[in-house]
Amino acid sequence: KAGVTQTPRYLIKTRGQQVTLSCSPISGHRSVSWYQQTPGQGLQFLFEYFSETQRNKGNFPGRFSGRQFSNSRSEMNVSTLELGDSALYLCASSLGDGRAETQYFGPGTRLLVL
Amino acid sequence: DAKTTQPTSMDCAEGRAANLPCNHSTISGNEYVYWYRQIHSQGPQYIIHGLKNNETNEMASLIITEDRKSSTLILPHATLRDTAVYYCIVRVPRDYGQNFVFGPGTRLSVLP
Repeated sequence: KAGVTQTPRYLIKTRGQQVTLSCSPISGHRSVSWYQQTPGQGLQFLFEYFSETQRNKGNFPGRFSGRQFSNSRSEMNVSTLELGDSALYLCASSLGDGRAETQYFGPGTRLLVL
Repeated sequence: DAKTTQPTSMDCAEGRAANLPCNHSTISGNEYVYWYRQIHSQGPQYIIHGLKNNETNEMASLIITEDRKSSTLILPHATLRDTAVYYCIVRVPRDYGQNFVFGPGTRLSVLP
């Protein structure tokens, strides 16, 4: 079974721009979670989507948003980029059915904001 | 906040067992212990999880103390490729509000 895939793998943007990152979960997984990883803050939870609905949200500003499609693929968007948004963005998928919710992570998208 | 405490770093000789401790003294009765690892700049990799019984899979063994306040991840024969940051997480499977809260983890260095 194919793992979680994320595109693009690397991205360079300038301040003020916006960016959209994509995540394809493992086949059959309906839950997709997004995380931001920076050297200073570590791994921090952004939000989780299940059945096209945001089920959970971390403590990030409204510039960070996401959505999920009917095929469970998910995108996250960051508007008005700031230098501090430079990070590794990770997507994780799980069955979402409430049993042992093991999350499986993708390779991440490394975003650099100049 | 992370509910676990782990040593910042550990060394292990190649071929020897690596024993990574984790303290989770405030764990609740329905919280599972999960272990992930992250090799430099890659996504975290799931290793193993358990509730109260010891668990073993092809990657590692998880030993949970009887009072469930601590656990140990054992890599039986560490290789250089096991060098990574190891995260111990406690999580309630049905509590979607928590998700996985990652602490700083333990940086394991496997030495030749």
